Amino acid sequence: DSGVTQTPKHLITATGQRVTLRCSPRSGDLSVYWYQQSLDQGLQFLIQYYNGEERAKGNILERFSAQQFPDLHSELNLSSLELGDSALYFCASSSRVRSSGNTIYFGEGSWLTVV
Amino acid sequence: AQSVAQPEDQVNVAEGNPLTVKCTYSVSGNPYLFWYVQYPNRGLQFLLKYITGDNLVKGSYGFEAEFNKSQTSFHLKKPSALVSDSALYFCAVREGDNNNDMRFGAGTRLTVKP
Repeated sequence: DSGVTQTPKHLITATGQRVTLRCSPRSGDLSVYWYQQSLDQGLQFLIQYYNGEERAKGNILERFSAQQFPDLHSELNLSSLELGDSALYFCASSSRVRSSGNTIYFGEGSWLTVV
Repeated sequence: AQSVAQPEDQVNVAEGNPLTVKCTYSVSGNPYLFWYVQYPNRGLQFLLKYITGDNLVKGSYGFEAEFNKSQTSFHLKKPSALVSDSALYFCAVREGDNNNDMRFGAGTRLTVKP
């Protein structure tokens, strides 16, 4: 158990809908990362937050947004969903020290199926 | 921007034989290199990392990796493979001294046959 908690574990929704994925980082971790894993595109970095502020942005679509709250949990909002958004969405976190050597720890992921 | 490449989609080895999963990286600054393993329907688990110092890094489950700066490689190795090592392996890199995003390779599926 990495200590990173993601909910829900599985989600099935229709095209055009909006969903919110939730992540609680490991205790004390200030950085939260979101990744998307799909069969055709592998593991794609979406976005990173550090202590409530956006720190880095990857291949995140405009239909997707995220935020990190004062209690450090994070939410990834996916809107106007398309079939191609079906994927496993991972949250990860790393420790409070600002260092590139920090290991990031992954949650078990949220499986999103768009039908 | 930093990037990693895992040139093999699939690696097959027999149980008891040594295994190598290859990774090469590209950064403009100091590389921070990581290996993760993913079992079916699970999240990624950290195996080991190279930050600085000894080029040979030892990690979990008997795995090790060797940092080679001249070849920009960070291959994952294990002297004797187990069937239970069968999984998807990801190499990842961060660049520089800021806690920025980590970029992952496409993954290599390791199959260890009895």
